Amino acid sequence: GAVVSQHPSWVICKSGTSVKIECRSLDFQATTMFWYRQFPKQSLMLMATSNEGSKATYEQGVEKDKFLINHASLTLSTLTVTSAHPEDSSFYICSGSSGRASSPYEQYFGPGTRLTVT
Amino acid sequence: GQNIDQPTEMTATEGAIVQINCTYQTSGFNGLFWYQQHAGEAPTFLSYNVLDGLEEKGRFSSFLSRSKGYSYLLLKELQMKDSASYLCAVEGNYQLIWGAGTKLIIKP
Repeated sequence: GAVVSQHPSWVICKSGTSVKIECRSLDFQATTMFWYRQFPKQSLMLMATSNEGSKATYEQGVEKDKFLINHASLTLSTLTVTSAHPEDSSFYICSGSSGRASSPYEQYFGPGTRLTVT
Repeated sequence: GQNIDQPTEMTATEGAIVQINCTYQTSGFNGLFWYQQHAGEAPTFLSYNVLDGLEEKGRFSSFLSRSKGYSYLLLKELQMKDSASYLCAVEGNYQLIWGAGTKLIIKP
């Protein structure tokens, strides 16, 4: 149980275009979803936390107008990278939490999306 | 400030035992996670410790000492597939703080 999927698994786009990444919880309701970014050889960096039906809470230094997050249902969240630039190239990972585990931070991760901006 | 320290890299032999340490200084502590991450993949949950002591799950065990701000992940009977990064994360006050991860290399 507790499976999270992401789509696409990898994407290449041109600078200035927008890319949407979908994150779905397949067998549980994710009351909270987290979006992370991971650069090569570095740890996960939390970008934002979103609760279903609410606006996402962004971490300091993350541009909310550039990284649009929508958590429209308990099983779907999307991250849109607007006007992507090469420095946005990274591994984007989402995770979901049902809120019923021993910790609200016990998260189930999606497989990640590798974004390359040319 | 808030800080989590883990060794950057460790090497061990197949079939052996390895202990990966994690020390932390955080504002608030509600629990500590260990995750495994294979190269190019998302992390996988291994353990969550709230109380002091050792918790065992098969070949993997995790230990916590809250008074010392210290945890370790113990891996027994190492297999080649255990080659991965191991991430320590502390649940503080309304946030999860990640360590940089320890890259574990298993040699035959």
